[in-house]
Amino acid sequence: DVKVTQSSRYLVKRTGEKVFLECVQDMDHENMFWYRQDPGLGLRLIYFSYDVKMKEKGDIPEGYSVSREKKERFSLILESASTNQTSMYLCASSPLRQGIYEQYFGPGTRLTVT
Amino acid sequence: AQSVAQPEDQVNVAEGNPLTVKCTYSVSGNPYLFWYVQYPNRGLQFLLKYITGDNLVKGSYGFEAEFNKSQTSFHLKKPSALVSDSALYFCAVRAVNTGFQKLVFGTGTRLLVSP
Repeated sequence: DVKVTQSSRYLVKRTGEKVFLECVQDMDHENMFWYRQDPGLGLRLIYFSYDVKMKEKGDIPEGYSVSREKKERFSLILESASTNQTSMYLCASSPLRQGIYEQYFGPGTRLTVT
Repeated sequence: AQSVAQPEDQVNVAEGNPLTVKCTYSVSGNPYLFWYVQYPNRGLQFLLKYITGDNLVKGSYGFEAEFNKSQTSFHLKKPSALVSDSALYFCAVRAVNTGFQKLVFGTGTRLLVSP
């Protein structure tokens, strides 16, 4: 079974803090993704990576950055957290041979910025 | 731009009755369409996909989806709902932008199956 794990289920941070969200997958997948999920807005793609040290902006990259130093790990960084970044953050991965079609998701991190 | 719309925020159905969760799409070219499900306190799980071929696609947990090109729809269906089907369902479409492929998700539909 593919396993995608995220470092925290719940996180509370203060405005202005630098926040790191970690994601690890154990199936040697090339592609990894970060989404945020908000009620009424569905999932929106923040960043994705198709290889180590490679990254591409998604639909809402402002206020975020990412790091992929190892194939299995994809980190989302909030440089200076703001209250409008309070959300559920979902990480996903998929194998290159299947394109981006079938993505495997982690359980999510619910981030609250106060 | 590629997009999907899920017109219902919530669908209520009694256990044993058939269920339908609606999705319409807007794409240029051939659509690649997907359904994902999110059970409470869990990540999204892939249910099924339409790439090409038969308009009726079968997926996990007894779900199926019907692709209708003339109506630009890809509705999720199940002949007999279970209480355990209660979850949040997302429709998605493949989008290609600056040479990279990605999924564009709808806003989600909450399915509530009552005993």
